[in-house]
Amino acid sequence: DAGITQSPRYKITETGRQVTLMCHQTWSHSYMFWYRQDLGHGLRLIYYSAAADITDKGEVPDGYVVSRSKTENFPLTLESATRSQTSVYFCASSDSRAGELFFGEGSRLTVL
Amino acid sequence: KQEVTQIPAALSVPEGENLVLNCSFTDSAIYNLQWFRQDPGKGLTSLLLIQSSQREQTSGRLNASLDKSSGRSTLYIAASQPGDSATYLCAVPNSGNTPLVFGKGTRLSVIA
Repeated sequence: DAGITQSPRYKITETGRQVTLMCHQTWSHSYMFWYRQDLGHGLRLIYYSAAADITDKGEVPDGYVVSRSKTENFPLTLESATRSQTSVYFCASSDSRAGELFFGEGSRLTVL
Repeated sequence: KQEVTQIPAALSVPEGENLVLNCSFTDSAIYNLQWFRQDPGKGLTSLLLIQSSQREQTSGRLNASLDKSSGRSTLYIAASQPGDSATYLCAVPNSGNTPLVFGKGTRLSVIA
């Protein structure tokens, strides 16, 4: 089915471990985004990408790394997870920077 | 920096009532405004997108208006149903045509 899929949906890890959240879209959208959603803060932009090999920081990029070697994939890596990175992470895609956004189902990450 | 405020934070209404959700933003130089719906444990679903040149958009029982000069948008839901219960979020670009900044949402409960 066409759409945007995230994996894993649920992940528990420990402080200091590396974690990678995967995002795959089948629409061939040029733009992809990573947001995190936390109580009291709402949705905040971590990183976004305009095309393969082009990425830009969002509001809260510290502690995260992204890459985009293929248009359809946009993985998010926490190189050394911290408890403050416990959150729900949403990947989204669009055909333009401020175009209609399509979201994945989210990845719930718990860092112990 | 764009700031988006949604009032009220939560709303409970009886089935069949017409209701209005409010969204305000601080920087009126926006490219568009989008309204989303989020069900518990799910991703966001795009409801309506209003371009900066438009005053309103309609989809079924939903009508969204945009007043750029005053930095406000409203989402009108007609003849509310229990299935409308969800969190509704509005989002605008940070400035011009940049990635979206989200409000914290209004949690709507429609009581049968």
